[in-house]
Amino acid sequence: EAGVTQFPSHSVIEKGQTVTLRCDPISGHDNLYWYRRVMGKEIKFLLHFVKESKQDESGMPNNRFLAERTGGTYSTLKVQPAELEDSGVYFCASSLRTGPQWPQHFGDGTRLSIL
Amino acid sequence: AQKVTQAQTEISVVEKEDVTLDCVYETRDTTYYLFWYKQPPSGELVFLIRRNSFDEQNEISGRYSWNFQKSTSSFNFTITASQVVDSAVYFCALRHNQGGKLIFGQGTELSVKP
Repeated sequence: EAGVTQFPSHSVIEKGQTVTLRCDPISGHDNLYWYRRVMGKEIKFLLHFVKESKQDESGMPNNRFLAERTGGTYSTLKVQPAELEDSGVYFCASSLRTGPQWPQHFGDGTRLSIL
Repeated sequence: AQKVTQAQTEISVVEKEDVTLDCVYETRDTTYYLFWYKQPPSGELVFLIRRNSFDEQNEISGRYSWNFQKSTSSFNFTITASQVVDSAVYFCALRHNQGGKLIFGQGTELSVKP
């Protein structure tokens, strides 16, 4: 069974540009989460999808971030326009169901560098 | 407030030493879950263990053991006879019964030298 896949693994863009990150969850997992780790700090929650619906987007930092999960399969996270403070590692995770007894399985992350 | 604190930013040990990674959490909920994840150099976060707030039994899995103490709000992780392959960043996390998000600590980078 393939794990959570994230693309690209690394992205370097200039301030003001747009970047789109993609996450493919484990097949059949209804729940998809986005997190990010900035500058070696703690990993912070961004948002949670259940199928194609946003269950919780309380962690989204501002309206420059847009997450979608059309069709309830893969998800994209777009940053437009990117700012220097957006640099960090963006993780995606998926779980079969929502309850805490279902562990979240993480991808390798996308390292985003804003110049 | 909901918070997880891993006070040890970096730990360096020599192979075969025992090492304990500390995790202290804050929550007002009576039902919650605690997790440990390992992030090896490859980058992927690997799930290690989940405990719920009603189960304070310590757990052992091979060289890994976890000590959950509600009285001190701690969920510490001990690696016995450490090996070079244990080198990684380890994250402790908290999750409430309602809602899906994990609240992570800052992570502890463990370096095991041969």
